[in-house]
Amino acid sequence: GAVVSQHPSWVICKSGTSVKIECRSLDFQATTMFWYRQFPKQSLMLMATSNEGSKATYEQGVEKDKFLINHASLTLSTLTVTSAHPEDSSFYICSASGRGLRNEQFFGPGTRLTVL
Amino acid sequence: DAKTTQPTSMDCAEGRAANLPCNHSTISGNEYVYWYRQIHSQGPQYIIHGLKNNETNEMASLIITEDRKSSTLILPHATLRDTAVYYCIVINFGNEKLTFGTGTRLTIIP
Repeated sequence: GAVVSQHPSWVICKSGTSVKIECRSLDFQATTMFWYRQFPKQSLMLMATSNEGSKATYEQGVEKDKFLINHASLTLSTLTVTSAHPEDSSFYICSASGRGLRNEQFFGPGTRLTVL
Repeated sequence: DAKTTQPTSMDCAEGRAANLPCNHSTISGNEYVYWYRQIHSQGPQYIIHGLKNNETNEMASLIITEDRKSSTLILPHATLRDTAVYYCIVINFGNEKLTFGTGTRLTIIP
């Protein structure tokens, strides 16, 4: 099946700093990528949807200036958490879908962010 | 997209069949039933999906009732590695946004 990777797998940062998370589709062209956030013992919540070469569409309540998404190529999307605070500590998961993949989404392994 | 209802948790003995139910009574004619699972601290994994016919693949079987208001995911011979949270999601083909509910926490008992 199609493979999606994320980097880093975990990161610890100080409050006020920015953190970039990468999501890559390794063996297919991802026309659409999705970013989710998951707090402990809760379900995944969709943050935003991005299509290659265009601006991301954010879900209600997600600050687009705080969570910057760039989908510059068909294999890479990045999520930057700007001026991170402890309440941004969470598990961030990306997924990707592409042409010829029967509308399936393939998920990355996730990135655990801890803000001190 | 239609809302789904799943039991919060289930146990199943190792080696037995695990049957996970899902209610989606408001499903419309062009909506598919998708199943994903999430093992602890990992990203979700696609299992299977269907429209109205029963489906089977190497991981599981999906049984959809004739009125499509409910479905059952069957793991034929559960192993300890099948312990995970299982999500049933109803979605329009062409609408790629997945809405995850609370899912069913399946625990396989040795």
